[in-house]
Parts: sequence; structure tokens; C-alpha cells
Amino acid sequence: NAGVMQNPRHLVRRRGQEARLRCSPMKGHSHVYWYRQLPEEGLKFMVYLQKENIIDESGMPKERFSAEFPKEGPSILRIQQVVRGDSAAYFCASSPKRVSGGYGYTFGSGTRLTVV
Amino acid sequence: DQQVKQNSPSLSVQEGRISILNCDYTNSMFDYFLWYKKYPAEGPTFLISISSIKDKNEDGRFTVFLNKSAKHLSLHIVPSQPGDSAVYFCAASEDSGAGSYQLTFGKGTKLSVIP
Repeated sequence: NAGVMQNPRHLVRRRGQEARLRCSPMKGHSHVYWYRQLPEEGLKFMVYLQKENIIDESGMPKERFSAEFPKEGPSILRIQQVVRGDSAAYFCASSPKRVSGGYGYTFGSGTRLTVV
Repeated sequence: DQQVKQNSPSLSVQEGRISILNCDYTNSMFDYFLWYKKYPAEGPTFLISISSIKDKNEDGRFTVFLNKSAKHLSLHIVPSQPGDSAVYFCAASEDSGAGSYQLTFGKGTKLSVIP
């Protein structure tokens, strides 16, 4: 029973390149959340998606960042023209349906993005 | 503007004793509070949650207390074990109005349990 799978675990990009982070939710889960953790900070909400639908993207930076969760395949967080400030750990979580605030959804192990 | 604050970056406790991790918040609209544990190079693992209408929730060695008037919650671990050594994050949720419950995290407290 695989948990939330994220890949790659580590990603190094040069400034100006694109970064693609993938997240496969737990089996049977159709809702995905992306969070970012900057160094020495807590996790910060970025976006909440259901298959083929963005529910809440209020935490996404207005430029260069986009997310999708297609009908087939993993959810993708895409960062265009990366800058050093994008260096962080990006975590994905999933849930089987829309849940209440007390639901402790399961996080993946994260992708550590380093921009050089 | 930090809405969830964990003012102690680190805490050391002897094995077998009680660990108390504290968390303060400023947003009265939070309706649930959660604690997560995180080991290095892993994702956060959910431990326990509490509704804002309760003042205590217990699960095995873990108990969370909520003092709504003081906007303060704490996680008690009794007895503490070396395997509990990790970073503990306090998180709070509110309905964003867009159909989702976003979690707002504190910066974490690193707990070290000394054998």
C-alpha cells in the first residue's frame, strides 16, 4: 500500500530553467495539496487540486508557478524560470475526498529543489 | 504576519519524562488544530488533531490541550521515547472559502529525547 509518492527526491536547476515536480497520490485518493517549506520555516500552502480541476490556488505565486492534476497520471507542479528564492522543499499530500479541517492528510517525502 | 507561532525552536527531555510542546495562534477563525511530526528528509506525519470546540484530545501517549481564550495549545507526550526525537509542527486550519481547508504551520520545535 504505497503512500504519497513524489519524484524526484532531489532536483538541481540552474537559474532560468524549468522545474517539474511530480506527485502520485495514495491509491483511491483524488485530491492533492501542494505545500512549500523554505529553509527554517514551516510549510506554506500553495494549491489544492482535484482531478482536472484547481479548487484553491490562493497560495500560489502569481507568476512562474502552475499546477495540474490530469485525469490520468500524477499531479505536476511546474516552476518556470527558476530563481534562487525557489530553493525549498516541496511537499504533496492527498486525501480521498474533500475533507474537513481536522483531517490529517498524508504527506509525501518531498522534493528538495536547489537552484544554482 | 505569523498566525501560528512555536516560540521554542528546540526542547530536550529525558527518556521517560513528559515532553510539552507549545503553540500560540492569532487567528480566531481557525477551527481545527493539528500536530505533525517530521523526521529529516521525510514528509510530515500526522499525529493528532483537536476541534476548536474541544479543550482536550488524547491518543495513546499523545494529548493535545487547547486554551481558546489564551489562543494557546500544547502537545504532551508521556512517556517520551528516543524515537520521538523529531521536529514537531503545530498547524491550524480554516475554511478558505474556496472549498478547501488550508493548513497554516508554525516553524516547528525540534524535540530531542535523551536516553
